[in-house]
Amino acid sequence: DTGVSQDPRHKITKRGQNVTFRCDPISEHNRLYWYRQTLGQGPEFLTYFQNEAQLEKSRLLSDRFSAERPKGSFSTLEIQRTEQGDSAMYLCASGPGLAGLGQFFGPGTRLTVL
Amino acid sequence: AQSVTQLGSHVSVSEGALVLLRCNYSSSVPPYLFWYVQYPNQGLQLLLKYTSAATLVKGINGFEAEFKKSETSFHLTKPSAHMSDAAEYFCAVSDSGGYQKVTFGTGTKLQVIP
Repeated sequence: DTGVSQDPRHKITKRGQNVTFRCDPISEHNRLYWYRQTLGQGPEFLTYFQNEAQLEKSRLLSDRFSAERPKGSFSTLEIQRTEQGDSAMYLCASGPGLAGLGQFFGPGTRLTVL
Repeated sequence: AQSVTQLGSHVSVSEGALVLLRCNYSSSVPPYLFWYVQYPNQGLQLLLKYTSAATLVKGINGFEAEFKKSETSFHLTKPSAHMSDAAEYFCAVSDSGGYQKVTFGTGTKLQVIP
């Protein structure tokens, strides 16, 4: 399977703990995006990488959030000092960088903060 | 800023009936438009996309959408609903350049009644 994969699929943590999610994009895609989706809402953009460079960050991405894509392949999203409001589905998508081809989404990581 | 509005958070149709999911967009530049489908606890799957070529776009699973600039609409249709079409559908817009960040609507849940 050469689609976008995310790990873990589910994460339950206690408030105040740190969590890290991983995304493996489609190998030939140089663009990688992170989104957050809360219940009843569409995905909201968090951040974007082109190769290893993080080129845009949403204001939703507070200083507790950090994302990396060290070698331009997989990416990690870390949330420090989690809060109950961080509970959501975190979606990763990748794209080939050619305009209009769309983005291809992974299955998401569902985070529950107790 | 770009945005999409999906009219109707829930739509119910009978099996075999026409599916019509409405989407209106707002964009200051020629947009790219997308429809995605999301099954429970899964990521988003691209159904179809409009990228300024033909205004009637055909996608997977028998869905199609028509871009109408005068109405700023991109409604999704399917002539005959199947039970397997029950899911949440998201309309989305991105610009044709830059980071191609995608802005999603709030989604429409489609229920198919046997």
